[in-house]
Amino acid sequence: KQEVTQIPAALSVPEGENLVLNCSFTDSAIYNLQWFRQDPGKGLTSLLLIQSSQREQTSGRLNASLDKSSGRSTLYIAASQPGDSATYLCAVNSGGYQKVTFGIGTKLQVIP
Amino acid sequence: DVKVTQSSRYLVKRTGEKVFLECVQDMDHENMFWYRQDPGLGLRLIYFSYDVKMKEKGDIPEGYSVSREKKERFSLILESASTNQTSMYLCASRSTGQVTNQPQHFGDGTRLSIL
Repeated sequence: KQEVTQIPAALSVPEGENLVLNCSFTDSAIYNLQWFRQDPGKGLTSLLLIQSSQREQTSGRLNASLDKSSGRSTLYIAASQPGDSATYLCAVNSGGYQKVTFGIGTKLQVIP
Repeated sequence: DVKVTQSSRYLVKRTGEKVFLECVQDMDHENMFWYRQDPGLGLRLIYFSYDVKMKEKGDIPEGYSVSREKKERFSLILESASTNQTSMYLCASRSTGQVTNQPQHFGDGTRLSIL
């Protein structure tokens, strides 16, 4: 059974800092890994999807990496802004095409 | 951009009522999903559908049923609402396409309270 862990559970950083969010998973036989952002009381917004054959994906100030052999992914946010404050979730697609396992998330606060 | 629309942002119902949550997507996606999200437990899959009138149970289907009569619409039904079904409900859709590169797209969620 796939298990997804996100550490830390919460993070507070000053504006402008570069930061890394971590996601680990137990079963390396994955189709893809997706990073989401969730604002309070809202749904999930897709940020990046990394296919199993890829090592990283970039979108603007975001860069996500994937190391299947070690069961880890990182989301790097450059030059953080207060508007980046949200909960970030990682989701792993494995064990069947429709099977997606979510982490509980990292709650990020960027202080002006 | 994909648009997934959930009919209600907030809903308050009473124990024992039959509750309908509606979800519509505008991108002709074959696959649609219902999740619930609870603090400390994350998102858990209730049901998914891979085609019209086709459905599969997820991890926590007890107390729920679903309906997919049209490709764009996926409904979650609480047959007899109970207080332990108070939660945030999230609908998602995804194209079949190539297996490894299809992201899930989510609606804004329905915060359901059962009194």
